[in-house]
Amino acid sequence: AQKVTQAQTEISVVEKEDVTLDCVYETRDTTYYLFWYKQPPSGELVFLIRRNSFDEQNEISGRYSWNFQKSTSSFNFTITASQVVDSAVYFCALSEPTGANSKLTFGKGITLSVRP
Amino acid sequence: DAMVIQNPRYQVTQFGKPVTLSCSQTLNHNVMYWYQQKSSQAPKLLFHYYDKDFNNEADTPDNFQSRRPNTSFCFLDIRSPGLGDTAMYLCATTLGGGYYGYTFGSGTRLTVV
Repeated sequence: AQKVTQAQTEISVVEKEDVTLDCVYETRDTTYYLFWYKQPPSGELVFLIRRNSFDEQNEISGRYSWNFQKSTSSFNFTITASQVVDSAVYFCALSEPTGANSKLTFGKGITLSVRP
Repeated sequence: DAMVIQNPRYQVTQFGKPVTLSCSQTLNHNVMYWYQQKSSQAPKLLFHYYDKDFNNEADTPDNFQSRRPNTSFCFLDIRSPGLGDTAMYLCATTLGGGYYGYTFGSGTRLTVV
C-alpha cells in the first residue's frame, strides 16, 4: 500500500522567510510519481510539480525548489522569500506510473500561513 | 479553457434529499476520479472509472454512487445525504496514471443542512 506522510500540520512564517515543507512516502513500486499541489482558500488544487522516481535531480522554479532523496524516501518543498500569497494548504501526493488502478494518494497537507 | 469542469461550484442540499454532482472533461482522458475532501483533511478517493470499468474504494459508503454515460461526463450521486457528507468534492482525470499527470476540476463545495 502507498502512504504519504506530511508530519508538519501547520507552519507560520513572516514574509520573506524561507520555509521547507516535508514529505515522506512509502511504496513497494520501483517506478512511481510524486506530486505537490497547492490548495488556496478557494479550494481548487493547483498543480506545482510532478517528479518520477528515476529523476533525483533537484528542481527550481522561481522561488520554489524541490529536493527529492530516494534514499530517505523524501520529497521536500522549499519556498524561498515567502510571500503572503503563498498562504495555502500544500499537499504531497504519490501515484503509480500507469495502470487501470492508478490513483493519487495524498498526505494530510500542511497549512502554511505567511504573515506580512 | 477549463478542461475539467465541475458543476455546480456550490451546492446546498437538505438532509436526505438526493443530490447529483457533475464533472465533464474535454481532454478525452480514460480515467475519471471522484475525491471527497472534508474540512482540514486530505482528499480521499471515493471511486474511479477506467473507461467504463467502475472501481469502488473499499470504504466508500453505499450512499455514494457514480455514473459515467460517456467519456466526457461523470456524475456523483449521493442518495441520502447526511450532515457528515458536507465536503468539497473534487473530480480529476488522467490518460492513465502518474506518467501522464492528473487534471483536477475546481471542485463542488457541498453543504448538507
